[in-house]
Amino acid sequence: GIQVEQSPPDLILQEGANSTLRCNFSDSVNNLQWFHQNPWGQLINLFYIPSGTKQNGRLSATTVATERYSLLYISSSQTTDSGVYFCAVEGSNYQLIWGAGTKLIIKP
Amino acid sequence: DGGITQSPKYLFRKEGQNVTLSCEQNLNHDAMYWYRQDPGQGLRLIYYSQIVNDFQKGDIAEGYSVSREKKESFPLTVTSAQKNPTAFYLCASSISSYTGELFFGEGSRLTVL
Repeated sequence: GIQVEQSPPDLILQEGANSTLRCNFSDSVNNLQWFHQNPWGQLINLFYIPSGTKQNGRLSATTVATERYSLLYISSSQTTDSGVYFCAVEGSNYQLIWGAGTKLIIKP
Repeated sequence: DGGITQSPKYLFRKEGQNVTLSCEQNLNHDAMYWYRQDPGQGLRLIYYSQIVNDFQKGDIAEGYSVSREKKESFPLTVTSAQKNPTAFYLCASSISSYTGELFFGEGSRLTVL
């Protein structure tokens, strides 16, 4: 089956810094989604991005499907950005395959 | 507001008891899902349903059961056969399983004593 790898596994930054999170996948996918899980466990869908680039405020994402990776950019980090960021890809059987996540800590 | 409501948020049960977690959505989504998350880990799919009165096993269905009698409701029962039920349980929905954008409830944290 499709393998999904996220890097780095952990990231600690000062407030105001920028960051790039990466998601690699091993085969063609129907779509890709990025999620943020806050420290209380709530999962929020950030982007639905099978290809191309999308932006939402300080966050943007780019998926290069032909090269099998996606990047999530966070600019001017705030403490509320802390949490775990997951990417999930939809394979040919329409089921989501999840990465292990990147744990981000933003220090004030 | 539209969304997904899970209850209870916290639940404590004795070993050997069945427990049922509620999941209700008012997004008019066809597909609903149950995931399990253990501390520091990713999400694992327990069951999913693409349409009323139909559901499919996910990767870790053993020891769990579900029903889908109404479009808006997808309760999960954690049975006594589940060997390690203490976990964080997340319910999600999407317009259909083929378009995939997933929305989550706030989760239910089950502790078995």
